[in-house]
Parts: sequence; structure tokens; C-alpha cells
Amino acid sequence: SQTIHQWPATLVQPVGSPLSLECTVEGTSNPNLYWYRQAAGRGLQLLFYSVGIGQISSEVPQNLSASRPQDRQFILSSKKLLLSDSGFYLCACRRGNQPQHFGDGTRLSIL
Amino acid sequence: DAKTTQPNSMESNEEEPVHLPCNHSTISGTDYIHWYRQLPSQGPEYVIHGLTSNVNNRMASLAIAEDRKSSTLILHRATLRDAAVYYCILRDGTSGSRLTFGEGTQLTVNP
Repeated sequence: SQTIHQWPATLVQPVGSPLSLECTVEGTSNPNLYWYRQAAGRGLQLLFYSVGIGQISSEVPQNLSASRPQDRQFILSSKKLLLSDSGFYLCACRRGNQPQHFGDGTRLSIL
Repeated sequence: DAKTTQPNSMESNEEEPVHLPCNHSTISGTDYIHWYRQLPSQGPEYVIHGLTSNVNNRMASLAIAEDRKSSTLILHRATLRDAAVYYCILRDGTSGSRLTFGEGTQLTVNP
């Protein structure tokens, strides 16, 4: 079965600092990969998804970017964080018609 | 993406059945009905999905209306560990690779 690793679990960053969140997947190959953000008490907002290496689709205009340098690696980045980038960031993967699986997320606080 | 409507919150007592409703009146013929749940500070967890027929698994049952414009997630005996936000989501089985999350239903289970 698929396992999704996300780190760190929590992160506190100052406004204007860079960001790099990494997600790696085990137990599958050539998955679709997703980055979601969840504001406190709200549903999940899809930020990016990828159907293959180097292929990134952005769902909403924002201060973030994503990259997929390897088949099972998905990275979320920012050059300069804003206060509005705070939230709970979740990586997910899906293979074919199987259900989508989520990691345990990174809680990002911007000060 | 077709929209789903769920109650904001529901309450149940431990060891009693719980019926979580979802309306999806604009569902298309190729949309699958997916249910996920999210415990506090964790990523969403897949519960069940179906297309037309009722479905059962070890976690829950999914009852789908004959016209497919609504569905009900059934937890046969609620436990305290079932307290979570439950999301009802439609996914296009032909081309859709994304899940669009709404606000979900916050289920409280009373001891």
C-alpha cells in the first residue's frame, strides 16, 4: 500500500523567508501527486497537482510553486513567505482509479 | 466539478448508528461518490466510494439514492474514534484526477 512521508510536521517561519516542504511516496510508481492547503476550520484547497515528472498544474494563483524532480518526490516552495501562507499543508497521491491517500501534513505558521 | 451539500455538524451517541447525508443534485453519470474523513491534525482518510450501487466495507456503508442525487454514509456503531469531519466528494471517473473538498460535516460522538 502507498505511504506518504511529509516533513517537517510543524514549521514556524518569519515573513519574507523561503520555504521548502518535501513529500515522498513509497509503495507505488508513477502516481498523481497533489498539494493541498487547509486553513483553520475549513476544507482543503487544491494548490498543485502533477501527473508525472516535471509536469505541474497550478489550481490557484499564489505565492507558492511546486516541483516534481523525481517520480515519487513532490516539493512545495516559496521564495518569500507571506502571512497568508500560514496553514496546514497536505500532500496526497493517487494511482489509477484507487482512492487518494494523504500524508500527515505540515502545519506552517508565519510570524 | 459538481457540488455537494452536507450539514455543518451532527451529533451521535456511542454505539449507535450514524447516518451522514450528502446532496449532489448536479451529479453527472460518470461521477463517483467518495467519502473521506479527517481527524484533528491529520490528513484526510479514505472511507468508501461508489457509483450506483450501495457499497459496504469494514469502515462503513454507502447508500446511494436511485436517482444518484443524494447519498448517505452509514456508520453502524459509532465509537469515540469516529469523531471527525466527514467529506462527501464527487470525482469524475473518466477524466477527473482531482478531488474538490467542501466544508464537510463535523461529527461529534457522545460517550
